[in-house]
Amino acid sequence: EAGVAQSPRYKIIEKRQSVAFWCNPISGHATLYWYQQILGQGPKLLIQFQNNGVVDDSQLPKDRFSAERLKGVDSTLKIQPAKLEDSAVYLCASEGGQGPNLYEQYFGPGTRLTVT
Amino acid sequence: AQKITQTQPGMFVQEKEAVTLDCTYDTSDPSYGLFWYKQPSSGEMIFLIYQGSYDQQNATEGRYSLNFQKARKSANLVISASQLGDSAMYFCAMREGHRGGADGLTFGKGTHLIIQP
Repeated sequence: EAGVAQSPRYKIIEKRQSVAFWCNPISGHATLYWYQQILGQGPKLLIQFQNNGVVDDSQLPKDRFSAERLKGVDSTLKIQPAKLEDSAVYLCASEGGQGPNLYEQYFGPGTRLTVT
Repeated sequence: AQKITQTQPGMFVQEKEAVTLDCTYDTSDPSYGLFWYKQPSSGEMIFLIYQGSYDQQNATEGRYSLNFQKARKSANLVISASQLGDSAMYFCAMREGHRGGADGLTFGKGTHLIIQP
């Protein structure tokens, strides 16, 4: 089966600009996550969707970050305006497997954002 | 307080030796799951192994095993017969709550493992 797709893979913007990332989860996976991974740290959950509804966005900086999953399939994460500290890799993951992979979150390749 | 603690920022190990990567966790929820992920320099997160809090036996997946000591809140990853391709960042992660509801993972800071020939 095809994996989690993300685009773009790399993005460089200046501070105060806006940026959007796209994620297409594995077909049939109801749960989708966005994580932020700052260099040298583990990923941090930003937001979790179940189908097209938000389950947990408690760690999402809502003054500048927004995310949507309108049709319950692909999702976009937006930052507006970007700050220097937003430089990180943004990882999308999906879940909803069966059998032995029931507990596994499948991660996409990530989008590396550099804010200058 | 940190929920996942990985105390080894970096490790150097000789090829073919066994490796133990430490992970301790903190939760008051009786139902939780523990995960290990591998992240090579290319950046993708690769799932290695899972242990549920109610699982009676330690999880094993090929060369990977999880040394689960519930009373000590410890979930160390053991890699047997290490290979050069095992060089990567390794993250321990936890999910709290009942499995019926999928939740996001809380990750540790990771251990950078380097296998030397």
